[in-house]
Amino acid sequence: AQKVTQAQTEISVVEKEDVTLDCVYETRDTTYYLFWYKQPPSGELVFLIRRNSFDEQNEISGRYSWNFQKSTSSFNFTITASQVVDSAVYFCALSEAPNSGNTPLVFGKGTRLSVIA
Amino acid sequence: DTGVSQDPRHKITKRGQNVTFRCDPISEHNRLYWYRQTLGQGPEFLTYFQNEAQLEKSRLLSDRFSAERPKGSFSTLEIQRTEQGDSAMYLCASSLGSGRAQTQYFGPGTRLLVL
Repeated sequence: AQKVTQAQTEISVVEKEDVTLDCVYETRDTTYYLFWYKQPPSGELVFLIRRNSFDEQNEISGRYSWNFQKSTSSFNFTITASQVVDSAVYFCALSEAPNSGNTPLVFGKGTRLSVIA
Repeated sequence: DTGVSQDPRHKITKRGQNVTFRCDPISEHNRLYWYRQTLGQGPEFLTYFQNEAQLEKSRLLSDRFSAERPKGSFSTLEIQRTEQGDSAMYLCASSLGSGRAQTQYFGPGTRLLVL
């Protein structure tokens, strides 16, 4: 069965600090996709990144970076030089990918990030 | 290219009433998903459509819930005889294609409060 664990329920940092959000997943499939979404107070889930199970290359996009390690089943998300606008709930999600197309997303419980000015 | 839209954004109803929510996916997206999110939790899958066919329903979708996607465009989610436990945010998402690499894009959600 699929499972996503985000052990950090809430994190508070002071503006300009770096912060890492942890994500650990479980799946029996060899082909799967991992996602991060951001949910600001308005409630809409905003897509941030998708990685497939065959690509362990880390990715950087501006102040955001992702570290995917299959050996530890982790897909961690780091925000560098955090800003107040980064305050939101961040969700990690997993989707298995049979040949018929990927399955619905399984989400973690989310990590609420508060960036204090 | 407009995003996923949902209507209404908020709904307050009394226990026992029926409610219906609408989702308009991103145009040309053939897959449409419904999720439910309660306070402090991540979204949980309810059901999804590929075009007009409902391909999967989760065990969360009791017989009081029904979803349709006539003509493979917009979708509706109806809850009959609402209960206080139905209070949640109902999220709709859509994705393109039938291959493996599909990203789901979410709408703003419908927040339901059952009194």
